[in-house]
Amino acid sequence: GENVEQHPSTLSVQEGDSAVIKCTYSDSASNYFPWYKQELGKRPQLIIDIRSNVGEKKDQRIAVTLNKTAKHFSLHITETQPEDSAVYFCAASGTSYDKVIFGPGTSLSVIP
Amino acid sequence: NAGVTQTPKFQVLKTGQSMTLQCAQDMNHNSMYWYRQDPGMGLRLIYYSASEGTTDKGEVPNGYNVSRLNKREFSLRLESAAPSQTSVYFCASNVRDRSGNTIYFGEGSWLTVV
Repeated sequence: GENVEQHPSTLSVQEGDSAVIKCTYSDSASNYFPWYKQELGKRPQLIIDIRSNVGEKKDQRIAVTLNKTAKHFSLHITETQPEDSAVYFCAASGTSYDKVIFGPGTSLSVIP
Repeated sequence: NAGVTQTPKFQVLKTGQSMTLQCAQDMNHNSMYWYRQDPGMGLRLIYYSASEGTTDKGEVPNGYNVSRLNKREFSLRLESAAPSQTSVYFCASNVRDRSGNTIYFGEGSWLTVV
C-alpha cells in the first residue's frame, strides 16, 4: 500500500523567512497530493493541493511542487508569519481517491 | 450545515471496556473515514467507507470495527479497549470532484484507556 514520508519532523524559522517541507510517496499510481494544516487542539484543514498533471501550484504565500518521476512533493511557505505556526501534513491518494494516506507531520514554529 | 459531527468529544475507558464513536456528516459525501492521531505518528487511517454499504481496512484496523449505517453515519467500535488505543480519533468525509479529494474532518474525540 501507499506509504508517505515527511521531513523534517520539526522546523523553526524566523518570521519573514521561508519554510520548506518535503514529502515522498511510494505508490506510483497516486495522483492527488493535498496539504493540511492543524493548529493546536483543532482539526486538520486543507490549505493547498496538487494533481499529478501539474508541476507547481501557488496560492498567495503558499506553493506546492510535484516531481512525479522522483515521487516527491514539497510545500513552500514564503514570508512566514507567527500564525503559520502549526503542524503540517502532506497526503497522497490514488486513482480511486478513496484511500487517503497522510505523512507523519511537520511541526512548524515561526519565531517573531 | 454542521459538516462532520462526532461524539463523544472526551472519553475515559477502562481496559477491556467497549465503546462506539459516532460520526455523522450532512454534506451528502459518499466517502467517510476514521483516523487516529498519535504524537509523531501523524494521521493513520483505521477504516474507510467509499460508499454506503462498503467498508475497507486502512493502515491500522486491528482492534476496531466500523459500521456504515447509512450515507450520513459511520461509527467506530472498540470491542475491548487497550491502553495502546489511547489516542485522538478523527472522523472525516470527502467530496470528490474534478479538482481532487478534499477531506473534511470532525473536531476529534479524545480517548484515554486506563
